Amino acid sequence: GESVGLHLPTLSVQEGDNSIINCAYSNSASDYFIWYKQESGKGPQFIIDIRSNMDKRQGQRVTVLLNKTVKHLSLQIAATQPGDSAVYFCAERGLKTSYDKVIFGPGTSLSVIP
Amino acid sequence: NAGVTQTPKFQVLKTGQSMTLQCAQDMNHNSMYWYRQDPGMGLRLIYYSASEGTTDKGEVPNGYNVSRLNKREFSLRLESAAPSQTSVYFCASSERDLKLVFGPGTRLTVT
Repeated sequence: GESVGLHLPTLSVQEGDNSIINCAYSNSASDYFIWYKQESGKGPQFIIDIRSNMDKRQGQRVTVLLNKTVKHLSLQIAATQPGDSAVYFCAERGLKTSYDKVIFGPGTSLSVIP
Repeated sequence: NAGVTQTPKFQVLKTGQSMTLQCAQDMNHNSMYWYRQDPGMGLRLIYYSASEGTTDKGEVPNGYNVSRLNKREFSLRLESAAPSQTSVYFCASSERDLKLVFGPGTRLTVT
C-alpha cells in the first residue's frame, strides 16, 4: 500500500505487504530529515533519519528515500506487521526558517489488516 | 535511564486559570523543546531551548512562557488558559536538533 502526498492521511495495508508512506517537504534548504512513529496515547518515537547528502538509508525493515529534486521523502516498511499500526510523521530540520528548528508534517495513519 | 518525563499526564483547567507543565530529561541533552499536537495539525513547536540559559520562540508561542531551569528541566507555563490551548503537549530533548526524544505527553483540557 502507498499514501500519496499530504492529502491522504490514512493508509491501510495487509499484514505481510510492504507499506510506502510519502511526504512532501517544504524547504529546499533543509539538511536533515527524520521519520517518527507515534502509537496511540504515546509520544513520537524516532525510526530513521537521513541527511540531505544521501538518497537512501536502510534500517531494520525500514528504508527512507530522499528525492531533493522534487522535495519528496518516503518511508518504506517491509513485511508490515500489526505492531506497525501507528501515525507516521516526517520532519525536516529547516535551515533559514524563522526559528531554524525541526518542522513536522501532519502525519499519515497506517492501519495493518491482519 | 528514564529518558524524558512529563508531569502531569492529564489536566483540566477553567478559562483564565494558570498552570505549569514540567519536563525533565536525563540524557544530558543540550536542546529541549515544547510542542503541541492538535488533531490533523501534526506537531507544532511552541518554544525551544538550545542550551541552558537560552530560550527562543517557535511557531506558536503566544499565550505561553518557558523556563529552562537547568540543563535537565524545561517548564512550560500557561498564565491565563484559553479553550484554544486544549491540546496534547509534548516535551522533547536532543543533541543539536537531531533525533528528538519525546516524553509521553500531557493532555490538557481548558473549559
